[in-house]
Amino acid sequence: QLQLQESGPGLVKPSETLSLTCTVFGGPITNSTYYWGWIRQPPEGGLAWIGSIYYTGRSYYNPSLSFRLAMNIDASKNQFSLKVNSVTATDMAVYYCARWAAPGGGHAGGFDIWGRGTEVTVSS
Amino acid sequence: EIVMTQSPATLSVSPGEGATLSCWASQTISNNLAWYQQKPGQAPRLLIYGASTRATGIPARFRGSGSGTEFTLTISSLRSDDFAVYYCQQSNNWPYTFGQGTKLEIK
Repeated sequence: QLQLQESGPGLVKPSETLSLTCTVFGGPITNSTYYWGWIRQPPEGGLAWIGSIYYTGRSYYNPSLSFRLAMNIDASKNQFSLKVNSVTATDMAVYYCARWAAPGGGHAGGFDIWGRGTEVTVSS
Repeated sequence: EIVMTQSPATLSVSPGEGATLSCWASQTISNNLAWYQQKPGQAPRLLIYGASTRATGIPARFRGSGSGTEFTLTISSLRSDDFAVYYCQQSNNWPYTFGQGTKLEIK
């Protein structure tokens, strides 16, 4: 069964770069059926989509974050990654990686497999 | 950006009864809508995609409906582990956006 696991530092200093990695276990990240995404949940609740990436490297970012974002995929390690530059307190959240599946093709799908999430604190 | 609005913010229901959660999109999204359930300390779980298709392993008590801009998640015969926060999410346009959530609590 496919599993995803986030990793990265739980504490980042203001203005520095947050770097997270998601490792995919139990199946190839190069499966052309899926996209891979990042979603975050701030302490007050709610969910916010950060971005999604395809195995080819094609990516889509949330415009509210895009100028600070970089996502990459490393097929050799079965991992994809997220970097957020110039972090502030508003970037404090639980960060989830997830698989996007659209079984019928098109846009009708969902994030069907999630990692357990990793909590990120921004503090000096 | 498409804004997703959920109602109510909190819904109090007794176990065994049914619950109806609503989600509206600020513009038409066809049937490109998913519903998730999230319990405290856990990642969200996909319930419904394509507005009405249950994800793998989701019981028939969960029913999604709607298209365009108005969507509904109906849960029948509520069980104790159904009490959680529910989110809708549109995938018609980038950026994907979520509703603010409905907390389903025990009455």
